[in-house]
Amino acid sequence: EAGVAQSPRYKIIEKRQSVAFWCNPISGHATLYWYQQILGQGPKLLIQFQNNGVVDDSQLPKDRFSAERLKGVDSTLKIQPAKLEDSAVYLCASSLWATDVSGNTIYFGEGSWLTVV
Amino acid sequence: DAKTTQPTSMDCAEGRAANLPCNHSTISGNEYVYWYRQIHSQGPQYIIHGLKNNETNEMASLIITEDRKSSTLILPHATLRDTAVYYCIVRVMGGGTSYGKLTFGQGTILTVHP
Repeated sequence: EAGVAQSPRYKIIEKRQSVAFWCNPISGHATLYWYQQILGQGPKLLIQFQNNGVVDDSQLPKDRFSAERLKGVDSTLKIQPAKLEDSAVYLCASSLWATDVSGNTIYFGEGSWLTVV
Repeated sequence: DAKTTQPTSMDCAEGRAANLPCNHSTISGNEYVYWYRQIHSQGPQYIIHGLKNNETNEMASLIITEDRKSSTLILPHATLRDTAVYYCIVRVMGGGTSYGKLTFGQGTILTVHP
């Protein structure tokens, strides 16, 4: 079974530039998550999708971050304009329908490493 | 979401059992205990989860106390490749605006040495 695919793996941009990250979840997974992980910290949820609808985006800095999942499969996370403090790993994850009470597993991709200079 | 408390770091000798504790004293009835680990430069990897019974799989065992206020992840025969950050997470299941998501803390840095 293919895992969660992310690209690009690494990106270096200057502050005030824009960047986009792409995620392809595991086939059949309705729930998709984007996490931000700053060096030395645990991942922090930015946004959660259920199919193509947003379930939780309370921690997404909406003045500069945006995310979409138009057809309920792939997703794109965009940052515009980037700030120095956006340097982090951006992790995409997916799972089956989140309300499965037996506890469904969330699978993570390898992450996209962003450095803003 | 219930908060978890873990030691910042632990050491373990290769071949010995690694016992990683986690406190989750405010856990609710609809919250599962999940364990993930993150090896350097990789995404978090699922290890095991449980509600109130002890669980075992090919990677580890999870022991949850009867009052569910704490748990222990056991790696029965640690290897050098088990060196990683281990996260204990309580996860809301069954409904509500916070259902399904994982809220990570700082985790425990486990170092397995020869």
